[in-house]
Amino acid sequence: GAVVSQHPSRVICKSGTSVKIECRSLDFQATTMFWYRQFPKKSLMLMATSNEGSKATYEQGVEKDKFLINHASLTLSTLTVTSAHPEDSSFYICSARSANTQYFGPGTRLTVL
Amino acid sequence: AQRVTQPEKLLSVFKGAPVELKCNYSYSGSPELFWYVQYSRQRLQLLLRHISRESIKGFTADLNKGETSFHLKKPFAQEEDSAMYYCALKSGGYQKVTFGTGTKLQVIP
Repeated sequence: GAVVSQHPSRVICKSGTSVKIECRSLDFQATTMFWYRQFPKKSLMLMATSNEGSKATYEQGVEKDKFLINHASLTLSTLTVTSAHPEDSSFYICSARSANTQYFGPGTRLTVL
Repeated sequence: AQRVTQPEKLLSVFKGAPVELKCNYSYSGSPELFWYVQYSRQRLQLLLRHISRESIKGFTADLNKGETSFHLKKPFAQEEDSAMYYCALKSGGYQKVTFGTGTKLQVIP
């Protein structure tokens, strides 16, 4: 079946630094990938829809300049959290669509000190 | 705007008892609904979708457009069913998926 990977699985960074998270579809091509944020004991919140070769579509309330998304190829989308703050600490999950099904990555735990 | 509501944060049932995880939605178009499951320390994965009308791991879900519901049911709960269950609705040109807040199912042995 379709597999989506994320790297890194866990990252700790200092406040003010930028962190890049990669999302890869390993055995299929994905023109569309999605980035979610999951708060403790809460649902997944869609942050943005990443489209290969074009600008990402951000959900209302998500700062596009803070959460930079790049979908440079059909198998890779990256999320860069710029000038990270402690409130950005969260679990970030990507998903990729294949044949009308979304496949989820294992998530990346970001901790900003 | 679409919305998915799961009223129960936690549902505890005894092994062998019936299970019903509630999901209600609001959407102006024709909905496509899913149930996703997340077992402990595992990634989110699709459990079933309403258009397939399938039974997966003994779970079924029927779309009731009149009541705007898509409740997940299983006649006899098993311990391995313990997990977080998310109801989701797909919409839009980019097929955006909106998730409910999730229900933790705890099956007591």
